[in-house]
Amino acid sequence: EPEVTQTPSHQVTQMGQEVILRCVPISNHLYFYWYRQILGQKVEFLVSFYNNEISEKSEIFDDQFSVERPDGSNFTLKIRSTKLEDSAMYFCASSDQGWDYSYGQYFGPGTRLTVT
Amino acid sequence: AQRVTQPEKLLSVFKGAPVELKCNYSYSGSPELFWYVQYSRQRLQLLLRHISRESIKGFTADLNKGETSFHLKKPFAQEEDSAMYYCALTPSDDKIIFGKGTRLHILP
Repeated sequence: EPEVTQTPSHQVTQMGQEVILRCVPISNHLYFYWYRQILGQKVEFLVSFYNNEISEKSEIFDDQFSVERPDGSNFTLKIRSTKLEDSAMYFCASSDQGWDYSYGQYFGPGTRLTVT
Repeated sequence: AQRVTQPEKLLSVFKGAPVELKCNYSYSGSPELFWYVQYSRQRLQLLLRHISRESIKGFTADLNKGETSFHLKKPFAQEEDSAMYYCALTPSDDKIIFGKGTRLHILP
């Protein structure tokens, strides 16, 4: 069964550095998402992406964050200048039925980002 | 405000006993509701959705609009049910709002 993949599984970076988290969604999916989960807290929506543009973003997704689908298979999340509070597990998800919310989304295994 | 509340952080149940994971939601419209599960060292995966009224791995969940609840139930717990369970809703746009999750621990 096809799965969403994410790399790396764990990323350690220093405060102020840029990081890029990578995701390969399921190949026929058209809707892509990033979520994050700070340790001990709930999974929070960051951004949704369709047709090469952001569909919706949360208040967490400020100017330090950006997303891109550079080559038709990868879907990346960039954090320009990381802060300590960006330390979290970041999940990528994809869906082929974005117009029908009842189908749910398929999640990747997550990237644990640690900012020191 | 759109919100999902799971009042229990941890629920311990003996094998063979019934399970009920509570979920309440706050949303002014007609949301789509889901349960996601995360087994140890595995990814979040969709367990079931209210619209399909299905039973997956013996779990069912009924949407009660009057009580704004979507509790997850299973009549007889199995050890392999031990996992983190997240109740979630999708409002009219295309994001998911998760509850904080309940860790279900099945005791032998």
